[in-house]
Amino acid sequence: AQKITQTQPGMFVQEKEAVTLDCTYDTSDQSYGLFWYKQPSSGEMIFLIYQGSYDEQNATEGRYSLNFQKARKSANLVISASQLGDSAMYFCAMREGYSSASKIIFGSGTRLSIRP
Amino acid sequence: GAVVSQHPSRVICKSGTSVKIECRSLDFQATTMFWYRQFPKQSLMLMATSNEGSKATYEQGVEKDKFLINHASLTLSTLTVTSAHPEDSSFYICSASPSGGRTDTQYFGPGTRLTVL
Repeated sequence: AQKITQTQPGMFVQEKEAVTLDCTYDTSDQSYGLFWYKQPSSGEMIFLIYQGSYDEQNATEGRYSLNFQKARKSANLVISASQLGDSAMYFCAMREGYSSASKIIFGSGTRLSIRP
Repeated sequence: GAVVSQHPSRVICKSGTSVKIECRSLDFQATTMFWYRQFPKQSLMLMATSNEGSKATYEQGVEKDKFLINHASLTLSTLTVTSAHPEDSSFYICSASPSGGRTDTQYFGPGTRLTVL
């Protein structure tokens, strides 16, 4: 069974600093996808970044990058130059297989707070 | 980007009544949609996978007779909470991926906050 682990319930970071949010996963599948979502207090789920298991390069999207270490089964999110608006819950998630019909399972989340 | 809507955004009902929540993909077709439940300060828990034209697949521990799912078209899935009780109060979120399209994205609805009195 697939499993996603986020070991940091909460983090405080000074504005403009970089921050790494940890995520490890467990799966027996060779084909899978990893996602990061941001959930502000409004509740909406905002897609940030995606990494496929066969992607050789780490995914990047603006200030977000995914540090994918396949052998260690980790998919940490790195946010560079943090901003006050980055304060939110962050969820790591995984989909086994590449089908749009495959379910996505979420980790427990990390609450990130940015200090001015 | 693709848009998923949910209606209503917020609902308050009396214990014992049924509540229907709609999830629509506005600009794409979705053969499969997913329903999640999120309790305060917790993660999203997958309840069921909604399949167009066929029965939903429920996760272990989710009562299929209590949480009725109907995926009547490629753009609409509904979740009906039957005989709702206060412990069903939660944030319900649906998601969908475009059929036959990219699988590196999953679009979420804005969620429905259900309060059962």
